[in-house]
Amino acid sequence: DQQVKQNSPSLSVQEGRISILNCDYTNSMFDYFLWYKKYPAEGPTFLISISSIKDKNEDGRFTVFLNKSAKHLSLHIVPSQPGDSAVYFCAASRGGSQGNLIFGKGTKLSVKP
Amino acid sequence: NAGVMQNPRHLVRRRGQEARLRCSPMKGHSHVYWYRQLPEEGLKFMVYLQKENIIDESGMPKERFSAEFPKEGPSILRIQQVVRGDSAAYFCASSPQGTGIQPQHFGDGTRLSIL
Repeated sequence: DQQVKQNSPSLSVQEGRISILNCDYTNSMFDYFLWYKKYPAEGPTFLISISSIKDKNEDGRFTVFLNKSAKHLSLHIVPSQPGDSAVYFCAASRGGSQGNLIFGKGTKLSVKP
Repeated sequence: NAGVMQNPRHLVRRRGQEARLRCSPMKGHSHVYWYRQLPEEGLKFMVYLQKENIIDESGMPKERFSAEFPKEGPSILRIQQVVRGDSAAYFCASSPQGTGIQPQHFGDGTRLSIL
């Protein structure tokens, strides 16, 4: 029973274009959502988060959108850079920032020069 | 991932041996979480600890696995009598105490291989 789903295992984008990574969730009790980036042989690195009381949060080239009615969130990266190539994980929590995180399986982003 | 320190980075054990994984949280962080990642999977929550207390162990197998976060020293994830299925990457994360939105920060993990 996967509560957080990332249905695209991989995504390929040209440098300079927009990357859009998608995530769906099933549990309406989730109140905090995060995106992490992960390189091989390293731990996940926090990118950006959003509380369920908001529908958008922006940090530099990264923007996260939350659509609670559709139980969907997305991460936009613009412009995409080759260094953005990594696996991106969507995660959700029921207890605000103190609860355990439920992760999706990840989307591997490849940004081609 | 500077800050959360995990050791060892790689650990090889034979079936039936014990594995001990260590995690030192970021300075000022008093919440520690352990996650396990199998190949091609996302991270799966195992246990959430604060100093000297287990807050949530709902993701941890009932047998062979235990975790602690003593008053002094790192958090320890202990796996007794390891089996092949325990082979995975084990990640530790930490967050600060207090109110407000604070993301969990992860270490680089321990890759456990069972021969």
